Amino acid sequence: GGIITQTPKFLIGQEGQKLTLKCQQNFNHDTMYWYRQDSGKGLRLIYYSITENDLQKGDLSEGYDASREKKSSFSLTVTSAQKNEMAVFLCASKGRTEVFFGKGTRLTVV
Amino acid sequence: DAKTTQPDSMESTEGETVHLPCSHATISGNEYIYWYRQVPLQGPEYVTHGLQQNTTNSMAFLAIASDRKSSTLILPHVSLRDAAVYHCILRVGRQQGTGSKLSFGKGAKLTVSP
Repeated sequence: GGIITQTPKFLIGQEGQKLTLKCQQNFNHDTMYWYRQDSGKGLRLIYYSITENDLQKGDLSEGYDASREKKSSFSLTVTSAQKNEMAVFLCASKGRTEVFFGKGTRLTVV
Repeated sequence: DAKTTQPDSMESTEGETVHLPCSHATISGNEYIYWYRQVPLQGPEYVTHGLQQNTTNSMAFLAIASDRKSSTLILPHVSLRDAAVYHCILRVGRQQGTGSKLSFGKGAKLTVSP
């Protein structure tokens, strides 16, 4: 079996700061995703990538950049953290039928 | 925009069989119906999926209406560990050069009482 590792698990940033979240998968999957989840709400797709060096915008891409330099890794950058922002960022990768998720990075902006 | 509609929450008691409904009236012919569940502090976990025929696995039974406009996830003999938010989603089929896009809604929160 494989695993998706997200780092860091907890991230505290300051208003206006540029913050980078990392995701690694060892499934050898082509497609990877970044989602944002706010408390009590559903997952919103930020970016996804169908192969190395590919990037596709999701429904919430404004304010974020992404990078897929290797097949196994997909990073997400918050370009300017918003004050009092709190959310969980989930990384996922897609196999033939299933999508596997990481445990998330919890962001708090002070 | 989520293309599925689920109740916000459902309540059950241990040992009961739970029916979680999902409406997807605008489903396309090549869209699969996927169910995921999520417990606090974890990412969503795959439960099951189907296209047209009912499916079953060790976790659940998925009943799909003949017109595919709705489906029901059936959880037999629920335990406390089945308490989670259940997401019914449609997997948009591969489009030219864009791969598969997955969109989630809020899901349905299942509460299980002892």
